[in-house]
Amino acid sequence: EADIYQTPRYLVIGTGKKITLECSQTMGHDKMYWYQQDPGMELHLIHYSYGVNSTEKGDLSSESTVSRIRTEHFPLTLESARPSHTSQYLCASSGWTENTGELFFGEGSRLTVL
Amino acid sequence: ILNVEQSPQSLHVQEGDSTNFTCSFPSSNFYALHWYRWETAKSPEALFVMTLNGDEKKKGRISATLNTKEGYSYLYIKGSQPEDSATYLCADSWGKLQFGAGTQVVVTP
Repeated sequence: EADIYQTPRYLVIGTGKKITLECSQTMGHDKMYWYQQDPGMELHLIHYSYGVNSTEKGDLSSESTVSRIRTEHFPLTLESARPSHTSQYLCASSGWTENTGELFFGEGSRLTVL
Repeated sequence: ILNVEQSPQSLHVQEGDSTNFTCSFPSSNFYALHWYRWETAKSPEALFVMTLNGDEKKKGRISATLNTKEGYSYLYIKGSQPEDSATYLCADSWGKLQFGAGTQVVVTP
């Protein structure tokens, strides 16, 4: 069983609020990822990190930001939430090389912005 | 541009029947092909990571094959059971993992 945790699982918030989605893993994985999934659509990579102090933007442009101060922690922040940010956000980690290692996913954070 | 394509988008299977579906990916610059199962209200779970042309992997009643030269992978479910109901995702790991849109499988008793 994967040891990667996301909080909150569900969040309903008003426009303009700042939110942080937490992601933590206890597997010592160097690589961590944030994916966004709109209903009925594919998973899109929005951020990734190959280690402490390393963060990169993914294929899908996102107004969110991430930080990687500790290996086990990869939080995602939206400074001012908007309805267009309503989506499911999935965090994942990998312990192998990016090209062959399987991803371990958290259970997701479903965000609704009113 | 979605380089990884899965078909069909969804399928309904009677319990006990076998089924299969496809993942297509660019055949150039291939590194690995991943399959994940995503059950409702759970997190995606890795089924297979395949790297070699002709690879064939099996986990219980689920198996997968890989053709890197033509850029496709098949996932097979033998004797489908209701617990096989899930969305099955494939991902091409050239560069960063890029996921297909998934095949939603519904197995009815």
